[in-house]
Amino acid sequence: NAGVTQTPKFRILKIGQSMTLQCTQDMNHNYMYWYRQDPGMGLKLIYYSVGAGITDKGEVPNGYNVSRSTTEDFPLRLELAAPSQTSVYFCASSGTGGNWNTEAFFGQGTRLTVV
Amino acid sequence: KQEVTQIPAALSVPEGENLVLNCSFTDSAIYNLQWFRQDPGKGLTSLLLIQSSQREQTSGRLNASLDKSSGRSTLYIAASQPGDSATYLCAVPQGAQKLVFGQGTRLTINP
Repeated sequence: NAGVTQTPKFRILKIGQSMTLQCTQDMNHNYMYWYRQDPGMGLKLIYYSVGAGITDKGEVPNGYNVSRSTTEDFPLRLELAAPSQTSVYFCASSGTGGNWNTEAFFGQGTRLTVV
Repeated sequence: KQEVTQIPAALSVPEGENLVLNCSFTDSAIYNLQWFRQDPGKGLTSLLLIQSSQREQTSGRLNASLDKSSGRSTLYIAASQPGDSATYLCAVPQGAQKLVFGQGTRLTINP
Protein backbone atom coordinates (compact mmCIF):
# COMPACT_ATOMS: atom_id res chain seq x y z
CA ASN A 1 0.00 0.00 0.00
CA ALA A 2 2.57 2.57 -1.17
CA GLY A 3 0.27 5.56 -1.93
CA VAL A 4 2.35 8.49 -3.20
CA THR A 5 6.10 7.93 -3.40
CA GLN A 6 8.63 10.72 -3.90
CA THR A 7 12.33 10.42 -4.59
CA PRO A 8 14.82 11.59 -3.52
CA LYS A 9 14.08 12.57 0.09
CA PHE A 10 16.98 15.03 0.26
CA ARG A 11 19.13 16.74 -2.34
CA ILE A 12 21.71 19.49 -2.45
CA LEU A 13 22.16 21.23 -5.79
CA LYS A 14 24.63 23.83 -6.93
CA ILE A 15 23.34 26.98 -8.57
CA GLY A 16 22.70 26.35 -12.26
CA GLN A 17 22.38 22.58 -11.96
CA SER A 18 19.26 20.73 -13.04
CA MET A 19 17.40 17.81 -11.53
CA THR A 20 14.15 15.87 -11.68
CA LEU A 21 12.01 15.13 -8.64
CA GLN A 22 10.18 11.88 -9.12
CA CYS A 23 6.60 11.18 -8.02
CA THR A 24 4.63 7.97 -8.44
CA GLN A 25 1.19 7.00 -7.18
CA ASP A 26 -0.42 3.59 -7.21
CA MET A 27 -4.03 4.60 -6.52
CA ASN A 28 -5.03 5.17 -10.16
CA HIS A 29 -5.75 8.82 -9.36
CA ASN A 30 -6.37 11.22 -12.21
CA TYR A 31 -5.29 14.37 -10.40
CA MET A 32 -1.70 14.96 -9.39
CA TYR A 33 -0.07 18.06 -7.92
CA TRP A 34 3.29 19.54 -7.03
CA TYR A 35 3.50 21.94 -4.10
CA ARG A 36 6.37 23.70 -2.45
CA GLN A 37 6.40 24.58 1.22
CA ASP A 38 8.59 27.35 2.57
CA PRO A 39 8.88 28.07 6.31
CA GLY A 40 5.93 30.15 7.46
CA MET A 41 4.60 30.49 3.91
CA GLY A 42 2.21 27.58 3.61
CA LEU A 43 1.87 25.37 0.56
CA LYS A 44 1.99 26.90 -2.89
CA LEU A 45 0.89 25.03 -6.01
CA ILE A 46 3.56 24.75 -8.70
CA TYR A 47 1.88 22.59 -11.35
CA TYR A 48 -0.99 20.17 -11.50
CA SER A 49 -2.36 17.55 -13.87
CA VAL A 50 -5.89 16.29 -14.37
CA GLY A 51 -4.83 13.22 -16.33
CA ALA A 52 -2.16 11.71 -18.53
CA GLY A 53 -1.01 14.20 -21.15
CA ILE A 54 -2.66 17.20 -19.44
CA THR A 55 -0.80 19.64 -17.22
CA ASP A 56 -1.38 23.21 -16.10
CA LYS A 57 0.40 25.92 -14.14
CA GLY A 58 -0.31 26.70 -10.54
CA GLU A 59 0.66 29.79 -8.53
CA VAL A 60 4.45 29.55 -8.80
CA PRO A 61 5.46 27.70 -12.00
CA ASN A 62 8.50 29.75 -13.00
CA GLY A 63 11.70 27.73 -13.07
CA TYR A 64 9.90 24.39 -13.20
CA ASN A 65 8.53 22.01 -15.79
CA VAL A 66 6.36 18.91 -15.59
CA SER A 67 5.17 16.09 -17.77
CA ARG A 68 2.49 13.42 -17.34
CA SER A 69 3.01 10.58 -19.76
CA THR A 70 1.30 7.98 -17.55
CA THR A 71 -1.41 8.04 -14.90
CA GLU A 72 1.10 6.92 -12.26
CA ASP A 73 4.02 9.30 -12.76
CA PHE A 74 4.31 13.08 -12.49
CA PRO A 75 7.96 14.21 -12.46
CA LEU A 76 8.95 17.80 -11.67
CA ARG A 77 11.95 19.20 -13.51
CA LEU A 78 14.10 22.03 -12.16
CA GLU A 79 16.20 23.75 -14.78
CA LEU A 80 19.05 26.09 -13.78
CA ALA A 81 18.53 25.79 -10.04
CA ALA A 82 18.49 29.02 -8.04
CA PRO A 83 18.71 29.62 -4.25
CA SER A 84 15.06 30.74 -4.33
CA GLN A 85 14.14 27.15 -5.16
CA THR A 86 15.41 25.94 -1.80
CA SER A 87 12.27 24.45 -0.30
CA VAL A 88 10.43 21.28 0.59
CA TYR A 89 8.54 19.84 -2.37
CA PHE A 90 5.43 17.72 -2.00
CA CYS A 91 3.67 15.64 -4.59
CA ALA A 92 0.01 14.76 -4.08
CA SER A 93 -2.74 12.91 -5.87
CA SER A 94 -6.52 12.66 -5.68
CA GLY A 95 -9.28 10.85 -7.49
CA THR A 96 -12.40 12.25 -9.08
CA GLY A 97 -15.99 12.13 -7.93
CA GLY A 98 -17.68 13.41 -11.01
CA ASN A 99 -16.40 16.95 -11.50
CA TRP A 100 -14.59 17.30 -8.22
CA ASN A 101 -11.54 15.86 -6.54
CA THR A 102 -11.81 13.35 -3.75
CA GLU A 103 -9.48 12.87 -0.80
CA ALA A 104 -5.92 14.00 -1.53
CA PHE A 105 -2.87 12.00 -0.46
CA PHE A 106 0.62 13.39 -0.12
CA GLY A 107 4.10 12.01 -0.48
CA GLN A 108 6.71 12.41 2.25
CA GLY A 109 8.42 15.32 0.52
CA THR A 110 11.78 16.17 -1.01
CA ARG A 111 13.96 18.63 0.89
CA LEU A 112 15.98 20.55 -1.69
CA THR A 113 18.79 22.95 -0.92
CA VAL A 114 20.38 25.06 -3.66
CA VAL A 115 23.81 26.46 -2.78
CA LYS B 1 -9.88 33.52 -6.03
CA GLN B 2 -10.26 31.21 -3.04
CA GLU B 3 -8.43 32.22 0.11
CA VAL B 4 -8.16 30.09 3.23
CA THR B 5 -7.34 31.42 6.69
CA GLN B 6 -6.56 29.48 9.84
CA ILE B 7 -6.68 31.04 13.27
CA PRO B 8 -4.83 30.84 15.58
CA ALA B 9 -1.42 30.35 13.98
CA ALA B 10 -0.24 28.56 17.11
CA LEU B 11 -1.97 27.03 20.11
CA SER B 12 -0.59 25.48 23.29
CA VAL B 13 -2.85 23.60 25.71
CA PRO B 14 -2.43 21.15 28.59
CA GLU B 15 -2.95 17.49 27.99
CA GLY B 16 -6.54 16.30 28.36
CA GLU B 17 -8.22 19.49 27.18
CA ASN B 18 -10.71 19.62 24.36
CA LEU B 19 -9.84 22.14 21.68
CA VAL B 20 -11.10 23.68 18.46
CA LEU B 21 -9.12 24.72 15.40
CA ASN B 22 -10.68 27.14 12.95
CA CYS B 23 -10.60 27.39 9.17
CA SER B 24 -12.36 30.00 7.05
CA PHE B 25 -12.62 30.30 3.28
CA THR B 26 -13.79 33.12 1.03
CA ASP B 27 -15.64 31.26 -1.73
CA SER B 28 -18.45 29.13 -0.31
CA ALA B 29 -19.01 27.25 -3.59
CA ILE B 30 -16.80 24.36 -2.57
CA TYR B 31 -17.20 20.64 -3.26
CA ASN B 32 -15.44 19.52 -0.09
CA LEU B 33 -12.98 20.50 2.62
CA GLN B 34 -10.09 18.43 3.89
CA TRP B 35 -8.16 18.56 7.16
CA PHE B 36 -4.53 17.41 7.27
CA ARG B 37 -1.93 16.85 9.93
CA GLN B 38 1.76 17.54 9.38
CA ASP B 39 4.48 16.43 11.78
CA PRO B 40 7.82 18.28 11.68
CA GLY B 41 9.89 17.26 8.67
CA LYS B 42 7.14 14.98 7.38
CA GLY B 43 4.48 14.97 4.70
CA LEU B 44 0.79 15.72 5.10
CA THR B 45 -1.51 13.06 6.47
CA SER B 46 -5.19 13.26 5.61
CA LEU B 47 -7.40 13.35 8.69
CA LEU B 48 -10.91 14.04 7.46
CA LEU B 49 -12.67 14.93 4.22
CA ILE B 50 -16.07 16.60 4.45
CA GLN B 51 -18.22 16.70 1.33
CA SER B 52 -20.24 19.84 0.69
CA SER B 53 -23.46 17.94 1.44
CA GLN B 54 -22.24 16.97 4.91
CA ARG B 55 -22.17 19.08 8.05
CA GLU B 56 -19.91 16.85 10.16
CA GLN B 57 -17.37 14.08 9.85
CA THR B 58 -15.89 12.09 12.72
CA SER B 59 -12.80 9.95 13.11
CA GLY B 60 -11.96 8.76 16.61
CA ARG B 61 -11.34 11.81 18.82
CA LEU B 62 -11.56 14.15 15.84
CA ASN B 63 -14.72 15.86 14.65
CA ALA B 64 -14.82 18.26 11.74
CA SER B 65 -17.76 20.49 10.93
CA LEU B 66 -18.53 22.46 7.81
CA ASP B 67 -20.75 25.51 7.40
CA LYS B 68 -20.58 26.46 3.74
CA SER B 69 -22.87 29.45 4.02
CA SER B 70 -20.59 31.16 6.53
CA GLY B 71 -17.38 29.89 4.92
CA ARG B 72 -16.16 28.12 8.04
CA SER B 73 -14.96 24.76 9.24
CA THR B 74 -13.82 23.66 12.67
CA LEU B 75 -11.73 20.71 13.78
CA TYR B 76 -12.57 19.56 17.30
CA ILE B 77 -10.04 17.42 19.14
CA ALA B 78 -11.32 15.70 22.26
CA ALA B 79 -9.16 14.73 25.24
CA SER B 80 -5.95 16.00 23.66
CA GLN B 81 -2.73 13.99 24.01
CA PRO B 82 0.94 14.94 23.53
CA GLY B 83 0.92 12.82 20.35
CA ASP B 84 -1.59 15.26 18.87
CA SER B 85 1.14 17.91 18.72
CA ALA B 86 1.58 18.81 15.05
CA THR B 87 0.58 21.41 12.49
CA TYR B 88 -2.99 21.12 11.28
CA LEU B 89 -3.94 22.40 7.83
CA CYS B 90 -7.25 22.75 6.07
CA ALA B 91 -7.66 22.82 2.30
CA VAL B 92 -10.48 23.47 -0.14
CA PRO B 93 -10.61 23.03 -3.91
CA GLN B 94 -10.44 26.11 -6.11
CA GLY B 95 -12.58 25.19 -9.04
CA ALA B 96 -12.75 21.44 -9.32
CA GLN B 97 -9.14 20.46 -8.99
CA LYS B 98 -6.66 22.75 -7.28
CA LEU B 99 -6.37 22.55 -3.51
CA VAL B 100 -5.87 25.83 -1.67
CA PHE B 101 -4.35 25.56 1.78
CA GLY B 102 -4.49 27.65 4.89
CA GLN B 103 -1.25 28.56 6.66
CA GLY B 104 -1.91 26.00 9.36
CA THR B 105 -2.24 25.97 13.14
CA ARG B 106 0.77 24.71 15.07
CA LEU B 107 -0.61 22.77 18.03
CA THR B 108 1.39 21.88 21.13
CA ILE B 109 -0.07 19.62 23.81
CA ASN B 110 1.82 19.95 27.08
CA PRO B 111 2.05 16.84 29.32
